[in-house]
Formats: sequence, structure tokens, C-alpha cells
Amino acid sequence: QQQVKQSPQSLIVQKGGIPIINCAYENTAFDYFPWYQQFPGKGPALLIAIRPDVSEKKEGRFTISFNKSAKQFSLHIMDSQPGDSATYFCAASTHSYSGAGSYQLTFGKGTKLSVIP
Amino acid sequence: DGGITQSPKYLFRKEGQNVTLSCEQNLNHDAMYWYRQDPGQGLRLIYYSQIVNDFQKGDIAEGYSVSREKKESFPLTVTSAQKNPTAFYLCASRSGTGPYEQYFGPGTRLTVT
Repeated sequence: QQQVKQSPQSLIVQKGGIPIINCAYENTAFDYFPWYQQFPGKGPALLIAIRPDVSEKKEGRFTISFNKSAKQFSLHIMDSQPGDSATYFCAASTHSYSGAGSYQLTFGKGTKLSVIP
Repeated sequence: DGGITQSPKYLFRKEGQNVTLSCEQNLNHDAMYWYRQDPGQGLRLIYYSQIVNDFQKGDIAEGYSVSREKKESFPLTVTSAQKNPTAFYLCASRSGTGPYEQYFGPGTRLTVT
């Protein structure tokens, strides 16, 4: 029930395309859903995050869509650029403190995005 | 990389040796975390600490140990009991109040031969 399933594992798009990465979860207690971007040999960097009280959040070219009833959320990258080529991770967490395991992020396994010129 | 430093960036050890990875943060964050990253496996939680002098096992704690004597520091020791220690190790921290964002360090790549 703690899993976050992410797809696809890899994605190739042309410059200007709109890659979409999907995640699904089971634990209905999750109430915080961040996306991280990771370049090779670097630590992940927080890209954008959403809470379940909204269905969509945009920050620049990055948009999260959230479907609470389906327990799914996705990342869309508008006008993708070669510099967006990286591995993207979705994650989920609960915000309520409940002893062991509190605030832990559960990560998807990642999607390697390649944007070709 | 923010205010989290990990050292060294690359580390090589012989099998059977213990090795300690450093993680320091100057963000005044209460919570700190250690993750292991393997290709295709995502990030798996090894240990975490919510406050000084307290820490909890994560999903894959076997063969690892930690300490949290100072708020700024959360070193990870990879012991000889860890069956497959070669991996990319990431340290993260989170503020104790407000948003739940975790911020990651640059990572240490450990190779054991």
C-alpha cells in the first residue's frame, strides 16, 4: 500500500513535444505529491509539488495534474527542451505526524526522459 | 545542492571494510535522511532522523548504521555486513515545520570491490 507506481520507465520526445509521466498510488493517506528532477551524477532537485485539494498546478513549463478519485497524478512538460533531459521521480507523503515513518517520501522508480533536438 | 554537502563525491573501498559517508547541512533543518539509489530502483530509504540523538530504520537498514549527535550532521556507515554496498548514496533534509519538501545533497558514489 506504500508503493508509488511510475510509468513509463523511459521516454524519448522531440524538442517542443509534451512528455507526460504518470504515477499511481494506493495509500489514501498520502496528501503531498512532489516531483523531482535528477541529472546524471547529481542529487534530485524538487521541481514542483501538489496537494490533493487542487486538480492542477503549473510552474513555468511544468504542470502537475491530479486525479484524487483515480489516485493518479502526472507531470507534463510543455515545449520540452534538450536541457530537460533528465530522470524524473514522483513521490508521495503524508503530513500527519504518526511516529515512525512520519513524513517519509515514497518514491516511484523514475522515468528517464530524453529530448532530442 | 542547496545547503547540504556530502563528501567525498567518489569513494572506493575493498570488500570487508567499513566506510563512513559524510552529510552536513546548514539549513537548520530538523530531519535528515539517507537514501540509496540503484539503476532502475528509484530511491530507497536507509535511515532517517527527526531530531538530534534519535533515528529510525528505513526500508533497507540492514548493513548500515547512523548517528545524529549534532543537528547539522548525519553520517552513514556502510558496514561489511552490507551484501551489495556499491551504489549512489543521497542525503536529504527537511524543515521540522511547514512544508514537507526534502532537499537533497549532491550524493556520494561508493564502489566496493
